[in-house]
Amino acid sequence: ETGVTQTPRHLVMGMTNKKSLKCEQHLGHNAMYWYKQSAKKPLELMFVYSLEERVENNSVPSRFSPECPNSSHLFLHLHTLQPEDSALYLCASSQESSWVYNEQFFGPGTRLTVL
Amino acid sequence: GQSLEQPSEVTAVEGAIVQINCTYQTSGFYGLSWYQQHDGGAPTFLSYNALDGLEETGRFSSFLSRSDSYGYLLLQELQMKDSASYFCAVSLTGYSTLTFGKGTMLLVSP
Repeated sequence: ETGVTQTPRHLVMGMTNKKSLKCEQHLGHNAMYWYKQSAKKPLELMFVYSLEERVENNSVPSRFSPECPNSSHLFLHLHTLQPEDSALYLCASSQESSWVYNEQFFGPGTRLTVL
Repeated sequence: GQSLEQPSEVTAVEGAIVQINCTYQTSGFYGLSWYQQHDGGAPTFLSYNALDGLEETGRFSSFLSRSDSYGYLLLQELQMKDSASYFCAVSLTGYSTLTFGKGTMLLVSP
């Protein structure tokens, strides 16, 4: 247990569905991240939130929509996805402070399959 | 942009020592991290180097040479439970945002 939980752990959805992934961190951190992990590819950073403000959006298609209502919760809203979006979606958190590196704590991920 | 290179797979036997290399090309480099991920699990932090030299944490050590844009993770006294994927990741100046390599799958056999 890393202190970061994700639900659901597995999700199968059709291309016309709308679903949401949820992440919650119990570590008191002030930064949260969404990553995509596909087979044989590096973890791809999708979004970064620091103090509930989005600070980075790495050219992610608009069919992925993040939401960070507070520093403990992060959502990823999904709509009209494509089969190539099937992957493991990982959430992470860290205690962000300027000019100092802080390790990231990852959740177990949501295994998403788009049919 | 940033790019990282690490071997895709390394095999070793229990009790042995293995070194996983990572070379990187980045702008604004701040430090190199290593993460371990077991199959089906979450990545977990192993080590971080911002300065040249060797950092030792138990059986694991990590090395960085900023001038060579190179680092490695050294695993000693290998155990079966060390079978996992190992990722190097660079952080850029002023941020903890990470850019990951593709990962090295380590297979430890009896």
